[in-house]
Amino acid sequence: AQSVTQLDSQVPVFEEAPVELRCNYSSSVSVYLFWYVQYPNQGLQLLLKYLSGSTLVKGINGFEAEFNKSQTSFHLRKPSVHISDTAEYFCAVSDNNYGQNFVFGPGTRLSVLP
Amino acid sequence: DTEVTQTPKHLVMGMTNKKSLKCEQHMGHRAMYWYKQKAKKPPELMFVYSYEKLSINESVPSRFSPECPNSSLLNLHLHALQPEDSALYLCASSQELGNNQPQHFGDGTRLSIL
Repeated sequence: AQSVTQLDSQVPVFEEAPVELRCNYSSSVSVYLFWYVQYPNQGLQLLLKYLSGSTLVKGINGFEAEFNKSQTSFHLRKPSVHISDTAEYFCAVSDNNYGQNFVFGPGTRLSVLP
Repeated sequence: DTEVTQTPKHLVMGMTNKKSLKCEQHMGHRAMYWYKQKAKKPPELMFVYSYEKLSINESVPSRFSPECPNSSLLNLHLHALQPEDSALYLCASSQELGNNQPQHFGDGTRLSIL
């Protein structure tokens, strides 16, 4: 069974600074990887996904992530953050065993400071 | 605005009450999901419906009873809930039940059990 680790529970960063949110996974088979964002009092919104092909994936709101199979990582990056990026970020993984669904990481709280 | 609509947004109920949560999507998705999310935690999968049939039940107590009356609607019937059931209940949908399918989430129903 797969699992997801997000080592940083909280990441404070100043506005316009770059940020990287880390995600590592474990799985014995090929995986599909996702990043979701949850703003206060809202549901989850898909930021980006890796299914196959290019390992650098671009998403909405200026975010991108890179799939690294050898390091089993899928870190999320943004070159310059805004106050409005303050939210909870969840990495999720699913594998190609039919019937298995998403496993979410514990989440990283990104706080953008003025 | 989300394409998955959940009602009500907030619900307060006593332990002896019966209530229902509703979820609707008009994206033509054939898989629908219920999740439970406690504060500062990732969503936990409860039920999965595929083509209006229950596909996955993650050992959820029988006081939660899902129903999928048609391909656009998903209900969660609640009866005799406990205070620990207070949480954000999220509905999601995806094109099909498949592990490369991103899920689209509603904004949730925040449930409080008195």
